[in-house]
Amino acid sequence: DAKTTQPPSMDCAEGRAANLPCNHSTISGNEYVYWYRQIHSQGPQYIIHGLKNNETNEMASLIITEDRKSSTLILPHATLRDTAVYYCIVNDNQGGKLIFGQGTELSVKP
Amino acid sequence: DAGVIQSPRHEVTEMGQEVTLRCKPISGHNSLFWYRQTMMRGLELLIYFNNNVPIDDSGMPEDRFSAKMPNASFSTLKIQPSEPRDSAVYFCASSFTGASTQHFGDGTRLSIL
Repeated sequence: DAKTTQPPSMDCAEGRAANLPCNHSTISGNEYVYWYRQIHSQGPQYIIHGLKNNETNEMASLIITEDRKSSTLILPHATLRDTAVYYCIVNDNQGGKLIFGQGTELSVKP
Repeated sequence: DAGVIQSPRHEVTEMGQEVTLRCKPISGHNSLFWYRQTMMRGLELLIYFNNNVPIDDSGMPEDRFSAKMPNASFSTLKIQPSEPRDSAVYFCASSFTGASTQHFGDGTRLSIL
């Protein structure tokens, strides 16, 4: 079973920031938080990951709370092409399988 | 750079037939994963290989399913005999060993009539 909890759906206006929350209250000390997304009819795509510090790359920012029990993925300026299902996954970063939950279906609207 | 390549993209066949799905991982990656996605069960791992050796096949639904990786650049997932409940999108992914950043192919959409 997935070790994360996410809202099933969210809406965001085009050009605004999309903030996607994830709860992972049972995360272990050696587990990272990973985010993937899946655009319709495509395979999942890696976005970003982090352990305890906030992370930023060209796609998104990841904010992890100090107690590491939750995190937020931020898409700073959402576009229509960001409409997708976003998955939050905890993993020990040693490779191996990823356990996908149901994710959050983000709809970016004009 | 070429990503993970899966073939065929779509497959429609009648129940009882043998189905073979193919995957070419990214060159240099030595871990390969097969996933299945359905509306009911979401995205679930079937099996994964490290250096061509199966490591975890606990997700393979039953003996009708088998997977092989004869070399570092090719893997197959075979279903024999196929059943309508096997209808799903099958994804292949690859990564460097020890890395949890997986690269996915575009999947094979399988329909068993």
